[in-house]
Amino acid sequence: DAGVTQSPTHLIKTRGQQVTLRCSPKSGHDTVSWYQQALGQGPQFIFQYYEEEERQRGNFPDRFSGHQFPNYSSELNVNALLLGDSALYLCASSLEAGGQETQYFGPGTRLLVL
Amino acid sequence: AQSVSQHNHHVILSEAASLELGCNYSYGGTVNLFWYVQYPGQHLQLLLKYFSGDPLVKGIKGFEAEFIKSKFSFNLRKPSVQWSDTAEYFCAVNNPNQAGTALIFGKGTTLSVSS
Repeated sequence: DAGVTQSPTHLIKTRGQQVTLRCSPKSGHDTVSWYQQALGQGPQFIFQYYEEEERQRGNFPDRFSGHQFPNYSSELNVNALLLGDSALYLCASSLEAGGQETQYFGPGTRLLVL
Repeated sequence: AQSVSQHNHHVILSEAASLELGCNYSYGGTVNLFWYVQYPGQHLQLLLKYFSGDPLVKGIKGFEAEFIKSKFSFNLRKPSVQWSDTAEYFCAVNNPNQAGTALIFGKGTTLSVSS
């Protein structure tokens, strides 16, 4: 049973560019959440997708957007990249359970913005 | 807004020593509580979780945590650590009564265990 997978594993971009990160949830899961983890910090919630809709959003600017597809996979898009966007981006999947859900994390995509 | 505090940034222990990592959260309502671990070179893994019921929860690899509602705490314990427990530990909380289950994480505690 495959766990959460993310692609690519590493990415280097320059300021002002746009990036798309991808996530496939664990088999049977229908909810995908995205987090940003800066070096030496805990993960920070970006947003969560359920039934192809953004259900909850953290304190991130509109440059961060996402999408969930009918097969529950998800993309995170970041426009107009800034140096401060350099971080590990984590995807987590879960099965909707009325608030009692456990999120399982993927290995992350490490983004470096130069 | 909810927040999570992990008091110890870096803990250094010898093998067989006992471990307690502190975690406090700031939300006064019903919460779900989690401890995740990140071993070197690996992704975040769930150690244990609390949703309701017995406030003492047991997780994998001999870890346990106690939810003390009056203290807004969910401290992680292990009676005897091993070298393989060297890792980054994160406490997280969410609100089960809202639309969406965003996890709010603490900054993490680095545990170094010497053999």
